Amino acid sequence: GAGVSQSPSNKVTEKGKDVELRCDPISGHTALYWYRQSLGQGLEFLIYFQGNSAPDKSGLPSDRFSAERTGGSVSTLTIQRTQQEDSAVYLCASSVRTSRDNEQFFGPGTRLTVL
Amino acid sequence: AQSVTQLDSHVSVSEGTPVLLRCNYSSSYSPSLFWYVQHPNKGLQLLLKYTSAATLVKGINGFEAEFKKSETSFHLTKPSAHMSDAAEYFCVVIHTGTTSKLTFGTGTRLQVTL
Repeated sequence: GAGVSQSPSNKVTEKGKDVELRCDPISGHTALYWYRQSLGQGLEFLIYFQGNSAPDKSGLPSDRFSAERTGGSVSTLTIQRTQQEDSAVYLCASSVRTSRDNEQFFGPGTRLTVL
Repeated sequence: AQSVTQLDSHVSVSEGTPVLLRCNYSSSYSPSLFWYVQHPNKGLQLLLKYTSAATLVKGINGFEAEFKKSETSFHLTKPSAHMSDAAEYFCVVIHTGTTSKLTFGTGTRLQVTL
């Protein structure tokens, strides 16, 4: 079956512009996660969605970052007024449910470059 | 807080020789631990997971890991390396709170030479 998909695969933007990154989780997966992979910080958690519950935003690095998940499926991560330190690969993952036993399936990521 | 430490940033082995990638964890509770692999320009793939059942866990592609509580370790091993094993490997702990978010180690790059 189809895995987690993300778009675009690559995004180059100028400093100060806004960007939107999209994630399509595996159908039927109720939990959705965003992570960021950068040279200086490694892989770090950003935000988590589970069904209709309030999201866990504890990993968002600043208020320029926001995310939403519409209809319990597709998610969009928005970065406003991008900065060069936002350059990274943004990874989305989904799992059947929130559980310490459940595998999180990762998408291929969106590579963001801020000039 | 839960965390993992990968002791080697880079490991180089010859094809056909054993692989050992080291990981130590820190957790107040009995942790769930994973190893993920990331091949160049590919997504993260789960190799294996420990979730408090058998302490010796077998994964895909001949990899296995042993959970040792006394040593707070979860080292990844493979008896015989293959060229296709060259990749970045991440030791991961899952949080026991409501989100089950993952905390990643810094990664170990495995190089396999002829």
